[in-house]
Amino acid sequence: EDQVTQSPEALRLQEGESSSLNCSYTVSGLRGLFWYRQDPGKGPEFLFTLYSAGEEKEKERLKATLTKKESFLHITAPKPEDSATYLCAVNWGAGGTSYGKLTFGQGTILTVHP
Amino acid sequence: TAGITQAPTSQILAAGRSMTLRCTQDMRHNAMYWYRQDLGLGLRLIHYSNTAGTTGKGEVPDGYSVSRANTDDFPLTLASAVPSQTSVYFCASSATSADTQYFGPGTRLTVL
Repeated sequence: EDQVTQSPEALRLQEGESSSLNCSYTVSGLRGLFWYRQDPGKGPEFLFTLYSAGEEKEKERLKATLTKKESFLHITAPKPEDSATYLCAVNWGAGGTSYGKLTFGQGTILTVHP
Repeated sequence: TAGITQAPTSQILAAGRSMTLRCTQDMRHNAMYWYRQDLGLGLRLIHYSNTAGTTGKGEVPDGYSVSRANTDDFPLTLASAVPSQTSVYFCASSATSADTQYFGPGTRLTVL
């Protein structure tokens, strides 16, 4: 079954303690992989789009990477304001009805303690 | 710019009643989407529209209908609400069906 799996489900870090979140996918015909940040009570906020294996994107303390089967979201020297749920989603399919529809992972809840 | 607005912010609805959740975007995006987010199930696509005048079914379309009369608006209607439709509903849009989707703030719906 085509799916997107994120790990860990929850991650607690001390401020300044770098770590990585994982998103693995078993879909065919990847068109794009997206990372979002979601704060409680709010809609997902777009972070990155990755289209092909080997691609990397950076924004402040965040860096997203992509391989053929997974993506990592690296967080360097996190701060308490980085605490949020991080969602991974894939746009996949050979066209037709799957085109443009995202499949989301369950998310990783990140908590950064001061 | 406002981006995507959704209304209402929250609503409590009696089972069997109908309701329309409103979504408006000001980015002139061609594609729009409705998702529901439930604890433990993540975000699931209800309906989508790749361009004005067309709509399609997502993963969980039963009990919901949509219309896309123009580019900016994409209302979601529950004809006869049931408790299992209690959820947080998010509207999203993208320039085309292949582009990044941007989300609205959500509507929290409780069906009693």
